[in-house]
Amino acid sequence: DIQMTQSPSTLSASVGDTVTLTCRASQYINVWLAWYQQKRGKAPELLIYKASTLESGVPSRFSGSRSGTDFTLTISDLQPDDFATYYCQQYDSYPWAFGQGTKVEIK
Amino acid sequence: QLQLQESGPGLVKPSQTLSLTCTVSGGSFNRVAYYWSWVRQHPGRGLEWIGYILYTGITFFNPSLRSRVNMSVDTSRTQFSLILNSVTAADTAIYYCAKASRVGSVTEPFANWGQGTLVTVSS
Repeated sequence: DIQMTQSPSTLSASVGDTVTLTCRASQYINVWLAWYQQKRGKAPELLIYKASTLESGVPSRFSGSRSGTDFTLTISDLQPDDFATYYCQQYDSYPWAFGQGTKVEIK
Repeated sequence: QLQLQESGPGLVKPSQTLSLTCTVSGGSFNRVAYYWSWVRQHPGRGLEWIGYILYTGITFFNPSLRSRVNMSVDTSRTQFSLILNSVTAADTAIYYCAKASRVGSVTEPFANWGQGTLVTVSS
């Protein structure tokens, strides 16, 4: 099975900051990586798929990139609404798997 | 706009069967390209994909749960269901239904989710 490892577990930042979250796949998954945002008590919401494609309606301050088996989610100009937990997910092969999440909290 | 809504008991006794239903509205259900899925989240923890079912009834499960899980679909009601047998406290989680898709040969991940339902396993 493919393991997804996210870092850091928690990230403290301020409004207006640019933050970078990392997700590493244990095996090659091509570009089949998604990012989700989850707020407390809510279902996850899809932000990015195919490593760097922004889901419709998602603000352009969110961006994704890939380098080999390393993936990053960058949030520019962090807004109050962005403080949440972010998960990556590989859908290259079964079983589909999520990372353990990165919580972005207010510094 | 596609909506998914989970329903089912919030409390299940150990060793018994967990059964949840997801009702889909506001969009197409009978498309072979739709993967009607279940994902769970243990309290304060990450997400775990349980498996999916197509409207044709074809299923694919996470091997970690395959021995205890089953799914069914009712196209007339646009519903799909999760059955998890022999539950223990470790199955206590929020259970989400969600939809992934296939476009041509490309899979698209979970763009639609239900709100989730907490299932507690306890005597």
